[in-house]
Amino acid sequence: KNQVEQSPQSLIILEGKNCTLQCNYTVSPFSNLRWYKQDTGRGPVSLTIMTFSENTKSNGRYTATLDADTKQSSLHITASQLSDSASYICVVSGRAGGTSYGKLTFGQGTILTVHP
Amino acid sequence: GAGVSQTPSNKVTEKGKYVELRCDPISGHTALYWYRQSLGQGPEFLIYFQGTGAADDSGLPNDRFFAVRPEGSVSTLKIQRTERGDSAVYLCASSLVRGHIQYFGAGTRLSVL
Repeated sequence: KNQVEQSPQSLIILEGKNCTLQCNYTVSPFSNLRWYKQDTGRGPVSLTIMTFSENTKSNGRYTATLDADTKQSSLHITASQLSDSASYICVVSGRAGGTSYGKLTFGQGTILTVHP
Repeated sequence: GAGVSQTPSNKVTEKGKYVELRCDPISGHTALYWYRQSLGQGPEFLIYFQGTGAADDSGLPNDRFFAVRPEGSVSTLKIQRTERGDSAVYLCASSLVRGHIQYFGAGTRLSVL
């Protein structure tokens, strides 16, 4: 069964600090990996998307890394802000031709709380 | 608006009742997805439409759940004989075509009392 596991389950940091969230997946064949940010009461919003050939991708203060060999990804947040408080969800999509194509498998999310 | 719109935003119903949840995708998006998100969990896939047809309904938990997209645009998720375990946020997403980035609505929070 395709799975996406995230750690930690929750994280509390002080404003201005950096943090790193982890994601391990078993989806195969693999097409791409996305990190979504979900604010409370809102739908998920895409932060980054990486294919299996990409190792790193940045979006402002967010930097995602991908190791397709070990099936691991991380999301690094630099100089955190109060508005970064949200759930961060790792999402993996299967490759065309596989049964998971176009279907997203979601991790359970990491709840990040940034305190002033 | 330009985004995915879901109505109602909140729905409270009694056990055993029938509910309908509506999704208006982004104009021109041919692919539409329904997900269910329980508290503290990531969304779980329910059903995917390509155009008017349900191309993959493997995520529907049982035959009480049904979804339609008769004209290839708006979709309705229908739940019969609701149970307390159906309480969750139901998310809809659309993409230009299958495999492209999915844009999510804000969801409908269903509470079955």
